[in-house]
This record gives sequence, C-alpha cells and structure tokens, in this order.
Amino acid sequence: RKEVEQDPGPFNVPEGATVAFNCTYSNSASQSFFWYRQDCRKEPKLLMSVYSSGNEDGRFTAQLNRASQYISLLIRDSKLSDSATYLCAVRSGGFKTIFGAGTRLFVKA
Amino acid sequence: GAGVSQSPSNKVTEKGKDVELRCDPISGHTALYWYRQSLGQGLEFLIYFQGNSAPDKSGLPSDRFSAERTGGSVSTLTIQRTQQEDSAVYLCASSARTSGQAPYEQYFGPGTRLTVT
Repeated sequence: RKEVEQDPGPFNVPEGATVAFNCTYSNSASQSFFWYRQDCRKEPKLLMSVYSSGNEDGRFTAQLNRASQYISLLIRDSKLSDSATYLCAVRSGGFKTIFGAGTRLFVKA
Repeated sequence: GAGVSQSPSNKVTEKGKDVELRCDPISGHTALYWYRQSLGQGLEFLIYFQGNSAPDKSGLPSDRFSAERTGGSVSTLTIQRTQQEDSAVYLCASSARTSGQAPYEQYFGPGTRLTVT
C-alpha cells in the first residue's frame, strides 16, 4: 500500500460545479498535511495547508479526518482556471514529505 | 522576492555520463528538498537538507545519486553513470523554519528536465 493515495481521476465537471477530492494516508503519526496544485509541465504550487480544525480559502475548503486517515479538498463554484492536477502531501516526521500521485481536474464551459 | 531557481532547465545527456543539477533556494529558507517526477507520475522524494542536520537520504534510488548543500544555501544533485530510467523532471523545493513562517510549506523551483539518450 502506498503511503499517500489519491484517485487519479480525471474529474470532469462543468463550470460552477462543486467538486471534492480525497487523499488517504497510511501513517497514523503523520503531522502535517497540504494540498498543492500543479499545472501541466509546471512545478507544484502550494494551495493550502490543512489544519486539524479544517480551513477555508475563498472557494477552497480543506479538511482533515485523523480517525479515518484522510484529507479532503472541496472546490466550490469551479472555474475553468481550476483545471489542474491536485497533489496532496503528508509529512510524517522531520521534514520528509510524501506526495500523492495527484488527481486531475478538468473544468469545462 | 526571488523564488527557487534551478539550472539547467533542460539537460540531454548520453547514457553513462554524469550530470549535475543545481538548486538555489529562497533566501533564508533552511530546508531544501529534491524530488523526481517521471512523466505522468507523482513526486518521488529523494533527499532533504535541514540546517546543519544530517540530510535525510532515504529516497535516493541508488548509490549513483548523491547531493550536497554548501554553506546552507545552494544544493547540487549529482547522478553518476546515468541510465535511461533516470529521465525525469528533477524538482527542488525549499521551506522556512523561522519565526512566523510555516516551516514545512514548500516552494518549488521550475525543475530540470533530464533526458538520457
């Protein structure tokens, strides 16, 4: 089993839709959680950290479920510009961070 | 301010040759990471450096891979006797560990695309 797993998708959604991705992790001692966005042939860019209490940044909401060992990302009112690959990342100790393989999102007009 | 920079942006080399990839982290960032991303795949952790601590080399795939970080800043990833399966994008990231900054949020450079022929 991989340390961090994501549904590869693709998710194809119309503009304005709400879409959610999950990411599961295997190490119960994991300490920090993140969502990154990666556009085609570009480097990943930090989207948001995921806090225990959940957090929101505009149309994006991230949540952590420690009991079930997953994090989620909810995107409301999807825009064409949200089309990208979304990577989750998990830090289990020290600075070592494991990334999921990513979920591809296509938002269509 | 300046972000993470990497050079070269592209490198084509013949099988068996050695290559050096360079990373310049964000000024003041104490942690520096190397990842590898093959076409259509996720990021594979290779190594990280944090301050003066011993680097975590647990992700290096073979002893042909090595990295160093000089003066707590610039890092070089060296691949000896390159093989075709080494072809990938090599990404460098850095993060801060100073008061007021989230220590583990990583900022990536644009990567070096390595092609081994």
